[in-house]
Amino acid sequence: EDQVTQSPEALRLQEGESSSLNCSYTVSGLRGLFWYRQDPGKGPEFLFTLYSAGEEKEKERLKATLTKKESFLHITAPKPEDSATYLCAVQVERNNRLAFGKGNQVVVIP
Amino acid sequence: GAGVSQTPSNKVTEKGKYVELRCDPISGHTALYWYRQSLGQGPEFLIYFQGTGAADDSGLPNDRFFAVRPEGSVSTLKIQRTERGDSAVYLCASSTGGGLETQYFGPGTRLLVL
Repeated sequence: EDQVTQSPEALRLQEGESSSLNCSYTVSGLRGLFWYRQDPGKGPEFLFTLYSAGEEKEKERLKATLTKKESFLHITAPKPEDSATYLCAVQVERNNRLAFGKGNQVVVIP
Repeated sequence: GAGVSQTPSNKVTEKGKYVELRCDPISGHTALYWYRQSLGQGPEFLIYFQGTGAADDSGLPNDRFFAVRPEGSVSTLKIQRTERGDSAVYLCASSTGGGLETQYFGPGTRLLVL
């Protein structure tokens, strides 16, 4: 069974305090790993897709990396508007569904 | 351009009633997905359509749940004899195809079964 585990579940950061979110996965035949951002009462918003170990992608203050066992989402000098739940999901070769972790809830305090 | 839209945004019903949830995907997207998200959890896969046909319905929890996409665009998720445990946010996503293309999500329908 495909498993996706995200840690920490919740994180409070001071504005400007950089940190990293972890997504570890156990799957057979990874096709891609996705990061989404979800604000309260909204649907997930796409951030990144990573396809192979060693790949990195950046967008503003966010940087996603991938190894064979886990992915990290680095938040550099966060601002209050970065407060959200960050969801990690994997897609495997044998089907098209996304299997999600529970999310990392991030609160950035001004 | 327009994103995925879902109606209604909120639905309150009584135990035992029938409900229909609608999803309007991004224009031109052939793949459509339904997920269910409970409080504090990540979305959980329900069903995937490629065109008009259900290519994978293995995530539907039981036979009270059914979904259709008759013309390959709009989809309706139907829940019969609702139970309190069906209360959740039902999310719809669409993508250009059924492979590794990005799935774009709608805002969800919040279903509350009393």
